[in-house]
Amino acid sequence: AQSVTQPDIHITVSEGASLELRCNYSYGATPYLFWYVQSPGQGLQLLLKYFSGDTLVQGIKGFEAEFKRSQSSFNLRKPSVHWSDAAEYFCAVGAIVSYNTDKLIFGTGTRLQVFP
Amino acid sequence: NAGVTQTPKFQVLKTGQSMTLQCAQDMNHNSMYWYRQDPGMGLRLIYYSASEGTTDKGEVPNGYNVSRLNKREFSLRLESAAPSQTSVYFCASSEPGQGTGEQYFGPGTRLTVT
Repeated sequence: AQSVTQPDIHITVSEGASLELRCNYSYGATPYLFWYVQSPGQGLQLLLKYFSGDTLVQGIKGFEAEFKRSQSSFNLRKPSVHWSDAAEYFCAVGAIVSYNTDKLIFGTGTRLQVFP
Repeated sequence: NAGVTQTPKFQVLKTGQSMTLQCAQDMNHNSMYWYRQDPGMGLRLIYYSASEGTTDKGEVPNGYNVSRLNKREFSLRLESAAPSQTSVYFCASSEPGQGTGEQYFGPGTRLTVT
C-alpha cells in the first residue's frame, strides 16, 4: 500500500542553523513527490515537487529536496533557517486513482520551531 | 485570481446539527477534494470529484456527503454532526496529470462539534 512516513513529529532549531526534514515513502511505481508547508491558521502551500530528472529539486523560500530512490526518501533541506520558517511541513506522494484522477497521500507532518 | 475559497472560516455546531461547507475554485480545475486535518494524523481524504458530475469516497467518508455543483464548486455536508467530526477541513483542487497534479488548497474551515 502507498504510504508516507515523516519520522520527526517536532523539530526545534536555532535561527541560522541548517535544517533537514525527513520523508520516506512506499509506492510501487515511479513516485511523484511533494513538500507542502502550512503556516499557523493557514492552508497548505507547495514548496517543491519532484516528477523526474534531476534528483535535487529547488523550491521556494530557499528550500531544496533530494530524491533518493535507493532509500525511498525525499528529505527537505534548508542551509539557514529563518524565524519565518516556523510552520508545519508535509511530505506527500502523488498516486494515480484513474485515468483522470490523482490523489495525494500525506505524511503526518513535522512541526518546526525556530528559536532566535 | 482568488484560487480556492472556503466558507465559513469557523463554525461551532451542537451534536446532531447539520451544516454545509462551501468550496469554490477559479482555476478551471477538473478535480476537487475535501480533506480533514487532525493533530498527528496529517490530512486524510474524505471525498473527491474527478470531474464535474462525479464524486467518489476517499479514506474517511463516513458521516459526510458531497455535491459537485458545477466545475467551480464542491460542497461538503454533515447531516448529523458528531464530536468526532471536530476538525479542520480543507478543500483543494487540481488539474490531474497521471499522479503529477499539484493540489491547491483553500484556507480551511475550523469546525467544533460540542
